[in-house]
Amino acid sequence: SYELTQPPSVSVSPGQTASIPCSGDKLGDKYAFWYQQKPGQSPVLVIYQDSKRPSGIPERFSGSNSGNTATLTISGTQAMDEADYYCQAWDRSTGVFGGGTKLTVL
Amino acid sequence: EVQLVESGGGLVQPGGSLRLSCAASGFTFSSYAMSWVRQAPGKGLEWVSSISAIGASTYYADSVKGRFTISRDKSKNTLYLQMNSLRAEDTAVYYCAKEDSGGYQRTSESLQHWGQGTLVTVSS
Repeated sequence: SYELTQPPSVSVSPGQTASIPCSGDKLGDKYAFWYQQKPGQSPVLVIYQDSKRPSGIPERFSGSNSGNTATLTISGTQAMDEADYYCQAWDRSTGVFGGGTKLTVL
Repeated sequence: EVQLVESGGGLVQPGGSLRLSCAASGFTFSSYAMSWVRQAPGKGLEWVSSISAIGASTYYADSVKGRFTISRDKSKNTLYLQMNSLRAEDTAVYYCAKEDSGGYQRTSESLQHWGQGTLVTVSS
């Protein structure tokens, strides 16, 4: 079965750029999606179809996808961005999530 | 405003059954595919099942195939997940999610809006 791999944790200083990778076999041939989940809350879509931002998502959130890796980038990271981030893709009509990355802003 | 409200969770014994519901409002329910995603306590997200806009096509994770059935009722604007032969490893918060299209491509659809989730606990 298809797998997506994320680092368990990423740390960033306030105001700096955070990059969260997601790897999978030929992931660049698929669309990648990113979801943010804060403690006790439901997930929120922050990037869809590799690099598109839903309305209401700040411009500091961006995405890319090429080769075997999709990347979520948060520019000018703020304390409010501290959360778990999950990548997701579709493989043979079934959904696949990465294991999630805890972003710590310190 | 899109609203998704799950219900039906609770404590059930191993081998038992439960039916989850997701009441949808704020959009044309019959135009969008819907999904169920679960999250075991302290763990990550796991996709469970999806259904196309008109209900003609359904999709399941291998972990629930043959035990869970997804369905939808256009007249009630409600999504369902019938869960049979429940196991301890099915314990999780179950979220329903609205996709951003009819769900016929199964490559480009995002899980655009999520409900607040309902907790299912399988234990004796």
